[in-house]
Amino acid sequence: EAGVVQSPRYKIIEKKQPVAFWCNPISGHNTLYWYLQNLGQGPELLIRYENEEAVDDSQLPKDRFSAERLKGVDSTLKIQPAELGDSAVYLCASSLSGGDTEAFFGQGTRLTVV
Amino acid sequence: SQQGEEDPQALSIQEGENATMNCSYKTSINNLQWYRQNSGRGLVHLILIRSNEREKHSGRLRVTLDTSKKSSSLLITASRAADTASYFCATAVPYGNKLVFGAGTILRVKS
Repeated sequence: EAGVVQSPRYKIIEKKQPVAFWCNPISGHNTLYWYLQNLGQGPELLIRYENEEAVDDSQLPKDRFSAERLKGVDSTLKIQPAELGDSAVYLCASSLSGGDTEAFFGQGTRLTVV
Repeated sequence: SQQGEEDPQALSIQEGENATMNCSYKTSINNLQWYRQNSGRGLVHLILIRSNEREKHSGRLRVTLDTSKKSSSLLITASRAADTASYFCATAVPYGNKLVFGAGTILRVKS
């Protein structure tokens, strides 16, 4: 069974440009997370989906970040416009049932904004 | 904001020694999970311990949970060079059913 798949692995963009990340979770997993991880720190939750509903997006900077989860499966995270401070690793994870079960992580997308 | 805090921030040991990492958290939890992250890779789940459990084992891993002290420890016995990684604790909070991670412990096992 394939794990969580993220693309691209790496992205370099100029500031003020838009960028999008894509995540394909494990089949059958209802919960999908997007986390941001800065160097030397732990993952910080941006948004959590239960099926297609965003149930926790309190940490998502909504002025520039948006996310969607189509038909409760794949998800995209978009930043528009990107700022220098957005440089980080963006991690997608999925689980069967929220925090009650283990989360499976993708390899992440390393974003560099120049 | 991060719920858990790992201690120490970094740990360096010789191969064959035991490694102990601690995690303290602030609010009530449903469970606590430990994850490993190798450099440049995603996180890998190691073990989950529920709030009504006190100790759990998985291979060379032993996890304890003290809900009265809001703390957990991860013990890796007979460490190997391949155990070199960052280790994170994550708490599943009752309200919101989400996973909140700590800042991690960097473990280096020297061969």
